[in-house]
Amino acid sequence: AQTVTQSQPEMSVQEAETVTLSCTYDTSENNYYLFWYKQPPSRQMILVIRQEAYKQQNATENRFSVNFQKAAKSFSLKISDSQLGDTAMYFCAFMMGGPGYALNFGKGTSLLVTP
Amino acid sequence: GAGVSQSPSNKVTEKGKDVELRCDPISGHTALYWYRQRLGQGLEFLIYFQGNSAPDKSGLPSDRFSAERTGESVSTLTIQRTQQEDSAVYLCASSYTGTVGIDEQFFGPGTRLTVL
Repeated sequence: AQTVTQSQPEMSVQEAETVTLSCTYDTSENNYYLFWYKQPPSRQMILVIRQEAYKQQNATENRFSVNFQKAAKSFSLKISDSQLGDTAMYFCAFMMGGPGYALNFGKGTSLLVTP
Repeated sequence: GAGVSQSPSNKVTEKGKDVELRCDPISGHTALYWYRQRLGQGLEFLIYFQGNSAPDKSGLPSDRFSAERTGESVSTLTIQRTQQEDSAVYLCASSYTGTVGIDEQFFGPGTRLTVL
């Protein structure tokens, strides 16, 4: 079974600063995908960024980027120029490649962006 | 276009009662997932539907939980004889095919179930 660990229950960052959220995972598979989801108080899960394990290049989406270290099984999320609207729970998730696999989620990191 | 919708938004019930939760996926999405999110936790997989194939029920926590899906549309999650530990947010997600790992799952807003 695959496990996803987020070791930071809560984090805080000032507006315009940069913050990094940590995630590690455990798997013996080679074909898989990694995701970061954002969940604001509205409960709506929003995909922030995804990474295919076979790609060496780190994924980037505007202010969001990842540091994917496959050998170390680490997948951290960096948020640059933090905005008040970034305040939310952030979940790291793992999914096996292939048909019909569900997402395995970590327990989440609560991020607070302060003025 | 419309996203994934779920109803009711909130449900309060008494221990021992049955509840039904509804999910309307995005039109054209053949794959549908149910997840449970307990307070302060990540999401736990419950069940997966793909087209007309037999569902993957491997995440259902007990035989009190069941789900159905009508073709490639609405799904209902039923919890019989509810217990207090069933209190959680139940989230539904759909994806286009579910046949490749990178199909993005689009989530609904969830149903918050409280069992008194």
